[in-house]
Amino acid sequence: DQQVKQNSPSLSVQEGRISILNCDYTNSMFDYFLWYKKYPAEGPTFLISISSIKDKNEDGRFTVFLNKSAKHLSLHIVPSQPGDSAVYFCAATLSGSARQLTFGSGTQLTVLP
Amino acid sequence: DTEVTQTPKHLVMGMTNKKSLKCEQHMGHRAMYWYKQKAKKPPELMFVYSYEKLSINESVPSRFSPECPNSSLLNLHLHALQPEDSALYLCASSQMPPGGANSPLHFGNGTRLTVT
Repeated sequence: DQQVKQNSPSLSVQEGRISILNCDYTNSMFDYFLWYKKYPAEGPTFLISISSIKDKNEDGRFTVFLNKSAKHLSLHIVPSQPGDSAVYFCAATLSGSARQLTFGSGTQLTVLP
Repeated sequence: DTEVTQTPKHLVMGMTNKKSLKCEQHMGHRAMYWYKQKAKKPPELMFVYSYEKLSINESVPSRFSPECPNSSLLNLHLHALQPEDSALYLCASSQMPPGGANSPLHFGNGTRLTVT
């Protein structure tokens, strides 16, 4: 049973436009969410996170939105750049839990020049 | 450059071989992790070390044996692996367990393991 789902395996966006990556979760106990970016032949890199007490967190070109009632979060990248082309993983966790991050299956973002 | 260093980058081994994967971090992190990642799948947790003690073993077969010699080093000893064990093995660390709030995981670039 996938507790964290990324339903779009791939997304293509034109350079300069907005990229929106979506993530849904089923476990209402999750209270902390993270996005990781992964280039081929490299490990995932932490990008941005959000606590369940917030509904938005912004860091430069990256903004994460959390809708707790819908159990949905999204990552907005604006403006998108070709270097943003990578696989993006959404992850969720229960603060204080001994169990670790639950990852989504990832979305391959391609930013076209 | 990643702050978590993994060696080797690539490893090919036969099913009767014994090999070890190594991981090193010098960020003063007190938790270290082994993950396994298959193509087009998310990372799957294998082991967690917290303050140099094994705190989580996600029902991993005994042919995988972790070791944490000190707070900066993490090894994964491999013996009698199967071809289906071929995958990218990722090491990660976090400032505090369990790698959640305010303590994101920092991943290494992984070891690409092929079992023949």
